[in-house]
Amino acid sequence: AQTVTQSQPEMSVQEAETVTLSCTYDTSENNYYLFWYKQPPSRQMILVIRQEAYKQQNATENRFSVNFQKAAKSFSLKISDSQLGDTAMYFCAFMKADNDMRFGAGTRLTVKP
Amino acid sequence: DGGITQSPKYLFRKEGQNVTLSCEQNLNHDAMYWYRQDPGQGLRLIYYSQIVNDFQKGDIAEGYSVSREKKESFPLTVTSAQKNPTAFYLCASASEAPGDTEAFFGQGTRLTVV
Repeated sequence: AQTVTQSQPEMSVQEAETVTLSCTYDTSENNYYLFWYKQPPSRQMILVIRQEAYKQQNATENRFSVNFQKAAKSFSLKISDSQLGDTAMYFCAFMKADNDMRFGAGTRLTVKP
Repeated sequence: DGGITQSPKYLFRKEGQNVTLSCEQNLNHDAMYWYRQDPGQGLRLIYYSQIVNDFQKGDIAEGYSVSREKKESFPLTVTSAQKNPTAFYLCASASEAPGDTEAFFGQGTRLTVV
């Protein structure tokens, strides 16, 4: 089975600054999807951003962008202009073509005022 | 409104008893999932199903069972064989629309063994 590794258990950032969360994955598949999900204290999982492996262009969603390095199997999330509401657990996820979807262990992000 | 409904939100079970967690979706998704989340940890895959009457084991299937008799429903049974069942359980379903693939999650069930 594919594995997803998030090597930063906890991170913090000052409000309005930029932070990057790391994610690496291991797979022999060529077609797959990558995701970043946010889990605030309510524990509701919220999609932050999605990347299709066949697309070379990095996905962006407002203040959120990714750096997708397919050869290196790396998928980092950059949050610009961090806001207090960004405080949450962030999970990197990998989905194969057969819908098998696995998550990393998560990074707890704290945005400080 | 379309979405995923998990019930109940909180569940208490005595040791040695089986218990079933409900998950229903009206999003017309083929794929459905069950994950377990322990405090401060990530989501671990228990089972997933691509279509009706078919499901695959995830990383921690031992002590759990599922069924997929209807597209809308994917119940999870926690059996007495699961040695440490106290955890937060999340159900999800996935859209496979090209360019719009995404997993949608329920609000979770907190299971406590007493």
